[in-house]
Amino acid sequence: RKEVEQDPGPFNVPEGATVAFNCTYSNSASQSFFWYRQDCRKEPKLLMSVYSSGNEDGRFTAQLNRASQYISLLIRDSKLSDSATYLCVVNPGNTGKLIFGQGTTLQVKP
Amino acid sequence: GAVVSQHPSWVICKSGTSVKIECRSLDFQATTMFWYRQFPKQSLMLMATSNEGSKATYEQGVEKDKFLINHASLTLSTLTVTSAHPEDSSFYICSARDNLVGGGLYGYTFGSGTRLTVV
Repeated sequence: RKEVEQDPGPFNVPEGATVAFNCTYSNSASQSFFWYRQDCRKEPKLLMSVYSSGNEDGRFTAQLNRASQYISLLIRDSKLSDSATYLCVVNPGNTGKLIFGQGTTLQVKP
Repeated sequence: GAVVSQHPSWVICKSGTSVKIECRSLDFQATTMFWYRQFPKQSLMLMATSNEGSKATYEQGVEKDKFLINHASLTLSTLTVTSAHPEDSSFYICSARDNLVGGGLYGYTFGSGTRLTVV
């Protein structure tokens, strides 16, 4: 079983749609969680950290369920510029190592 | 915000030659830096953890003699791909965390990556 699993997609949605990505992780002792965005042939960039209580940043909402070892990202009112690969990332301890999921590709169409 | 500079952005080399990739933290100090590799349509895989002033820690399956890591200062780590072969062609990315901030809830800053093509 992979340490961090995501549905690779692709998700093809029209502009304005709401789309949700899911992610599961295997290490129950994982400390911190992130969603990164990666554009084609570029480095990943932090989209948002994921807090236990859930958190929102504009059109983006992240949720964490420690009991189920499940993380989600909700994007509302999708824009063309949201087209990218979204990486679920877990810090399994305090070592600083990050474990990346395979990524979920989103394509927003006009 | 924290910036990590990675150089070169891309490199093409002949099989059997060595390639050095630099990763610099521009406005913060990083005792620890990380090197990742990403093959097409795959996720980033951690290769090694670079520790300033000490030996790097390699992940299982990564050859330490092939991927030489040097972290000589708090702002610079280098990865040298020795005797490169076509199967080493990949996207190599470094990341670093600010000693003062840590990586807790703020994530880690990534370099812009190096696309290596070995012909």
